[in-house]
Parts: sequence; C-alpha cells; structure tokens
Amino acid sequence: DIQMTQSPSSLSASVGDRVTITCRASQSISTYLNWYQQKVGRAPNLLISAVSTLQSGVPSRFTGSGSGTDFTLTISSLQPEDFATYFCQQSYSLPLTFGGGTKVEIK
Amino acid sequence: QVQLQESGPGLVKPSETLSLTCSVSGVSVSGGSFYWSWIRQPPGEGLEWIGYLYARGTTNYNPSLKSRVTISGDTSKNRFSLKLNSVTAADTAVYYCARRPIVGATEFDYWGQGIPVTVSS
Repeated sequence: DIQMTQSPSSLSASVGDRVTITCRASQSISTYLNWYQQKVGRAPNLLISAVSTLQSGVPSRFTGSGSGTDFTLTISSLQPEDFATYFCQQSYSLPLTFGGGTKVEIK
Repeated sequence: QVQLQESGPGLVKPSETLSLTCSVSGVSVSGGSFYWSWIRQPPGEGLEWIGYLYARGTTNYNPSLKSRVTISGDTSKNRFSLKLNSVTAADTAVYYCARRPIVGATEFDYWGQGIPVTVSS
C-alpha cells in the first residue's frame, strides 16, 4: 500500500494568513494526487484533482503543486470559511489511500 | 444533478453483518464511466477506502477488509450496496458512498452525505 503522510496534523492561523499543507507519498504517484476539504459533520468535498486542477467553484486562493512523492496545498489568504480539515488522496494504485488530515483552526 | 444517498441501520450488533445501500440519481450506476466506492471514517480519524463496484459487477476491495466485504449493484433501482460481516467496535464509523471517474485523475468527485454506524450490543 502507498502511505500518504500529511504535515502538520493541525495548525492555527489567522484570517489573511498564507497556509501551506504538505503531503508525502511513500513511493512515486506521478500526478495522481487529489485534495479534499471536510467541514465538521459533512462529507469531504473535492478541491483539487491531479495535483493542481481546481474544481469548479473553488476559490483561486487554493493552489496545489508537486509531483512524484511531494505535494503541497497552499491557501494564499485564509478566509473564515476555510477553517476545516484537509485530506490528500492518491489514485495511482489500489488500495486507494488518504493522508491523515490537516486540521486548520482559528488562531 | 448527480446525487448519492446512503441508507441503512445506524446500529449493528458485534459479530453481525453491516448492510448499507447507496441510492444514486442523475447518472447510471451500470453505465461504465465510473467506479462506485464505499469509504469510511471512524470517529475523529481519517478516511479509509473500502472498495468499489464497476459497471455490471467488477469489484475491488481494500486488502485490509477483503475477507469481510461484499459490494454489489442493483441496476433496476440504480443503487449499490455494502455488506461487511463479522463486525466489531472497530467498524464503528461514518460510511460514505462516492463516485470516481474511470479516466483522468480518478478523484472522488461526488459523495453521499454519510451515514453513521455504531457497532454495539
């Protein structure tokens, strides 16, 4: 199985801050990396597919980058609605696996 | 408008079988363009992919659960189901059904709202 390791597991930030979340795969997954946002009590919501393709309706302050084993999700200016947990997920090989999540909290 | 909706009992006794159904609207489960997956999330934890159903019956399961899982489809009602047998407290989780395209990055692009299932006597 491909292990997905996210860091940090949680962070505190203020509105307007730039936030970066890292996801590392235990082996190369090319660009088969997706990001999801999950708010409390809700299902995960797809933000970014294939490393950097923003889904329709997702604000441009979200960007994804990386390839191979190292990936990042950046929120350029944190907004109140961005406080949530973020998960990365690899779709390179089965079994599909997710990172442990990064909880973004209000400072 | 694609929608997925999970249904089933919210409480299952240890050693029994957990059975859930995902009703799909807006797209055909048997159409062949998507994988139809089950994913679960234990309380306060991360996400675990359980397995998928493709088209008219091809399945693939997470090896960690393979011996206990069956995913099947009901094309007449456009839905698919999950059966997990011999459950224990470790199977307590929110269970989601989700869609994943067979081409491209194969991300999970549509999810159900999730159904909490507790394993307890």
